[in-house]
Amino acid sequence: SQQGEEDPQALSIQEGENATMNCSYKTSINNLQWYRQNSGRGLVHLILIRSNEREKHSGRLRVTLDTSKKSSSLLITASRAADTASYFCATCPPAGGTSYGKLTFGQGTILTVHP
Amino acid sequence: EAGVAQSPRYKIIEKRQSVAFWCNPISGHATLYWYQQILGQGPKLLIQFQNNGVVDDSQLPKDRFSAERLKGVDSTLKIQPAKLEDSAVYLCASTVQGAYNEQFFGPGTRLTVL
Repeated sequence: SQQGEEDPQALSIQEGENATMNCSYKTSINNLQWYRQNSGRGLVHLILIRSNEREKHSGRLRVTLDTSKKSSSLLITASRAADTASYFCATCPPAGGTSYGKLTFGQGTILTVHP
Repeated sequence: EAGVAQSPRYKIIEKRQSVAFWCNPISGHATLYWYQQILGQGPKLLIQFQNNGVVDDSQLPKDRFSAERLKGVDSTLKIQPAKLEDSAVYLCASTVQGAYNEQFFGPGTRLTVL
């Protein structure tokens, strides 16, 4: 079953605008990760935020995590046409148990950035 | 640093035929994963190896899918016999030991079952 659910399913913006994608999940996590997938390619890791962190930045990316609401958001500032891709959140369960380091992916958000 | 290698990149087969996919992870990565990604969905974990041992294969359809990782390096995933619903992209990923870190993905193999 899918743990993360992204919202919106699709997002279309103009170059230079900001893009915000949200992810909700159901169970406790060790960390939450965001990945990008260009058409026909493998996934590329963007950023990892641990359960004891609230915000993280990487270049034009800003990720927030609210464990009380079991939600995360990914903000891409000053978007470019090259940011056009699918974006997935993935949750990693806490240590212990049978789900050692297992990532569960959401359905993804398709982002289109128009030049 | 070389990335995760996968082959073939594309495969078209008839239903009931067999197919095998190969993955070479990043050197030194002890943990290897196989995912199935159906069009329009996120990747779903099929099997996870730690070195050459299976950590999690709970979502692997074992009546038709098998995977091995001999010598704890390369891995192969096999489907026998294939069904129409196996049409998907099969992704291989690897990570350093510990597994609570980013995963590095290969380009995937796009399988079409006719």
